[in-house]
Amino acid sequence: AQSVAQPEDQVNVAEGNPLTVKCTYSVSGNPYLFWYVQYPNRGLQFLLKYITGDNLVKGSYGFEAEFNKSQTSFHLKKPSALVSDSALYFCAVRDIHGSGNTGKLIFGQGTTLQVKP
Amino acid sequence: NAGVTQTPKFQVLKTGQSMTLQCAQDMNHEYMSWYRQDPGMGLRLIHYSVGAGITDQGEVPNGYNVSRSTTEDFPLRLLSAAPSQTSVYFCASSYSDRRRDEQFFGPGTRLTVL
Repeated sequence: AQSVAQPEDQVNVAEGNPLTVKCTYSVSGNPYLFWYVQYPNRGLQFLLKYITGDNLVKGSYGFEAEFNKSQTSFHLKKPSALVSDSALYFCAVRDIHGSGNTGKLIFGQGTTLQVKP
Repeated sequence: NAGVTQTPKFQVLKTGQSMTLQCAQDMNHEYMSWYRQDPGMGLRLIHYSVGAGITDQGEVPNGYNVSRSTTEDFPLRLLSAAPSQTSVYFCASSYSDRRRDEQFFGPGTRLTVL
């Protein structure tokens, strides 16, 4: 079965410092990975996705993610954190099993990012 | 575009009551889905649809029904509410084309079942 894991419930970082939010995956075949962000009392917003190609994927709001096949990881990164980046971050993998292109996503448990001034 | 809209924003039900959570999108997306979000469990897929007239079960379908009579609307019905269905519910939609299949989420419905 396909799955993603986010090993950290919370990540704390000072404003201006680089941040990393970790995600590991388990899939059969080629992975198709996403990052989403959820601000308080809001729905999820798409940040970026990896299908194939370059291992470094650039997304919205200055975020990027590094795909590492040997470590089965897809960590979210940003060179310089902002207080406004504080939110709940979800890693997800597309479920490719079954018939047709279902678009189903399997989400990790989420990681709360706290950026302090 | 209004994007994905959900109503109501908040709802309190008594055990055994039924209700329908509404979801609509104006982006002509083929794919629509319902998730529930519970603390520490991420989002779990309840039901999904790949187009009008086609629905299927997700990870946690028990106690919920859906229908997709139009491309725009995807209502979620709670048949007989139970306290275990207390959660935040999100509707999402996307194109089915993998080149542009990012899911757009609604603002959510916070449901409490007493």
